[in-house]
Amino acid sequence: KNQVEQSPQSLIILEGKNCTLQCNYTVSPFSNLRWYKQDTGRGPVSLTIMTFSENTKSNGRYTATLDADTKQSSLHITASQLSDSASYICVVSANNQGGKLIFGQGTELSVKP
Amino acid sequence: NAGVTQTPKFRVLKTGQSMTLLCAQDMNHEYMYWYRQDPGMGLRLIHYSVGEGTTAKGEVPDGYNVSRLKKQNFLLGLESAAPSQTSVYFCASSSIRGQSYNEQFFGPGTRLTVL
Repeated sequence: KNQVEQSPQSLIILEGKNCTLQCNYTVSPFSNLRWYKQDTGRGPVSLTIMTFSENTKSNGRYTATLDADTKQSSLHITASQLSDSASYICVVSANNQGGKLIFGQGTELSVKP
Repeated sequence: NAGVTQTPKFRVLKTGQSMTLLCAQDMNHEYMYWYRQDPGMGLRLIHYSVGEGTTAKGEVPDGYNVSRLKKQNFLLGLESAAPSQTSVYFCASSSIRGQSYNEQFFGPGTRLTVL
């Protein structure tokens, strides 16, 4: 069964600190993996998208990595800001699913001053 | 561009009532989707459409119907609402161009409570 698991479920860090969120997936055949940021009361917004051949991609202070062999991805946030408080969702697309997405349950990040 | 918009933002229904959620996009996207988001779970696909006049079932279609009469609009209907349909509903759209990425753009969501 195609699944996406994220850890931790929730995380609290102090402003200015770095953090790393994890994503493991069992989706096959793999097409691409993306990270979304979802602010409270808003829809998800794409941060990064990576295909099989890409192992790292950055978007400002956000850096995503992908290890297609171990089927793991991470999202690293550098020098966190209060505005980084949100849910971060790992999403995987399978090649044989017509572009349908399999969503993780998300990691709830809270950045405290 | 407004992107993807959803109407209404909030709604409270009684069991058995019906309602329609409206999604509109101004990006000329071919694909449109309806998801529901429940606490502790990932977004789940209810129905989707690959073009005007076409719809297909997703992962959790029971109790919902959809229509795509115009390319820019995708309607989600609940004929007889049940408490299990209390959720936050998100609409999304994507372009057929660059289909391998299938970048989906999400609306702000509709929070529905069924009493």
